[in-house]
Amino acid sequence: KAGVTQTPRYLIKTRGQQVTLSCSPISGHRSVSWYQQTPGQGLQFLFEYFSETQRNKGNFPGRFSGRQFSNSRSEMNVSTLELGDSALYLCASRDTLNTEAFFGQGTRLTVV
Amino acid sequence: QKEVEQDPGPLSVPEGAIVSLNCTYSNSAFQYFMWYRQYSRKGPELLMYTYSSGNKEDGRFTAQVDKSSKYISLFIRDSQPSDSATYLCAMRGGGNTDKLIFGTGTRLQVFP
Repeated sequence: KAGVTQTPRYLIKTRGQQVTLSCSPISGHRSVSWYQQTPGQGLQFLFEYFSETQRNKGNFPGRFSGRQFSNSRSEMNVSTLELGDSALYLCASRDTLNTEAFFGQGTRLTVV
Repeated sequence: QKEVEQDPGPLSVPEGAIVSLNCTYSNSAFQYFMWYRQYSRKGPELLMYTYSSGNKEDGRFTAQVDKSSKYISLFIRDSQPSDSATYLCAMRGGGNTDKLIFGTGTRLQVFP
C-alpha cells in the first residue's frame, strides 16, 4: 500500500498570500488529521476530518481551514500568510478499525 | 504546564548502548500511547503503540506504560547509528477523535 502522500513537499510564499496544501491518505483510510510542526512549539494539532466532516479543531486562527473530499483526500488552506506560519505541515491518516495514525512526509512552508 | 512533558535532550550514546526515553503526562483521559521516530526533514514514523499499562516489545524496541504514574517509556536495545533521530511520544484519549498530543521530542545521537 502506498503511504500518506503530501504535495507539494516544499513551498515558498510571500506574506499576505494564501496557500493550499494537499494530502492523500492511505487507501481505505477515512480519517485525516493535520498538524503544524515548528522548532518552538513542536507538533500541534490543527484539525481532523472524517467522512468529509470536520470532527475536531485545534487552537489556531480562522485563517487556517481545511476540507475533505468524498475520496478522503484532504486539503488545508492558510490565508493571509504571516512569517510565523513558516513550518512543516504534516498530514496523518488512520483506519477507523485501528488506533495507529500514519504520517506523510510533510509540506515545508516558508513565508518570506 | 504542558499536558505531555518530554526531555528534549540531546541524548548521546555509544553504539550498542541501551537507550531509555521517557514522557510524563497530566491528563488521565489519555488511553492510547505512541512513539514516533522522526529523521531530519522527514515525517514522523510510527514505532510503537500501546493501549493498556504494561510492556510491549517489538524487536529492539520496548514500550512501557504506567497509567497510575502517568509515565511512558521507550527502550532501545543494542542501539545503532541509524537510530539517531528525534523520538516523539504521542497520546490521545478515547472517543471519536484522532487528536494526538505530542511531547516536544528527544533528539538521540548514537555514535559508532
